[in-house]
Amino acid sequence: GAGVSQSPSNKVTEKGKDVELRCDPISGHTALYWYRQRLGQGLEFLIYFQGNSAPDKSGLPSDRFSAERTGESVSTLTIQRTQQEDSAVYLCASSFDGPARSEKLFFGSGTQLSVL
Amino acid sequence: QKEVEQNSGPLSVPEGAIASLNCTYSDRGSQSFFWYRQYSGKSPELIMFIYSNGDKEDGRFTAQLNKASQYVSLLIRDSQPSDSATYLCAVNMAHSGGYNKLIFGAGTRLAVHP
Repeated sequence: GAGVSQSPSNKVTEKGKDVELRCDPISGHTALYWYRQRLGQGLEFLIYFQGNSAPDKSGLPSDRFSAERTGESVSTLTIQRTQQEDSAVYLCASSFDGPARSEKLFFGSGTQLSVL
Repeated sequence: QKEVEQNSGPLSVPEGAIASLNCTYSDRGSQSFFWYRQYSGKSPELIMFIYSNGDKEDGRFTAQLNKASQYVSLLIRDSQPSDSATYLCAVNMAHSGGYNKLIFGAGTRLAVHP
């Protein structure tokens, strides 16, 4: 497709279960971001992938969170042993970043995660 | 100090007035600055970007950048009720891998009333 695709669009899970969120970026985009947005809050940086460089994981809130990306394609964000405070919209975005500056981001529609 | 700071608002302006949204950032090496608009329940969408000091105009929107003061702003002229949204400032920050990642402020909620 032409845009950033995320799945599922909605996920309801029970506390303690693991969840996996998927992001399919725009073809050719080297940079991929995951952000978390709680209700009424701003975008919280989670993780950044850039080409074959080591990802910047500095925003991951705990070791229950992990993410992978294969080359410059699909990324998955995994949350283990989910907690109620993990409930939020998880947004993925991609761009064609250069080495010195960021380029404009294209966002997916997000995954609304609800932990009961 | 937060990396990117914005006043959360709400900023309330009458229809037809100029709305002024402000943002400060901590990394002096930043070179890319963006304004995104986010309607309730929707994903952010890019409305302006600026890389050089000074003003950049696009229709009713003007972005202003002052790197010496580490300050970027967005002016919306002739504000319309449809401009009511949260405006997110985003700035690139140095990353140890040699690239720059994009960090967002918490956003300013703008309300334009008829």
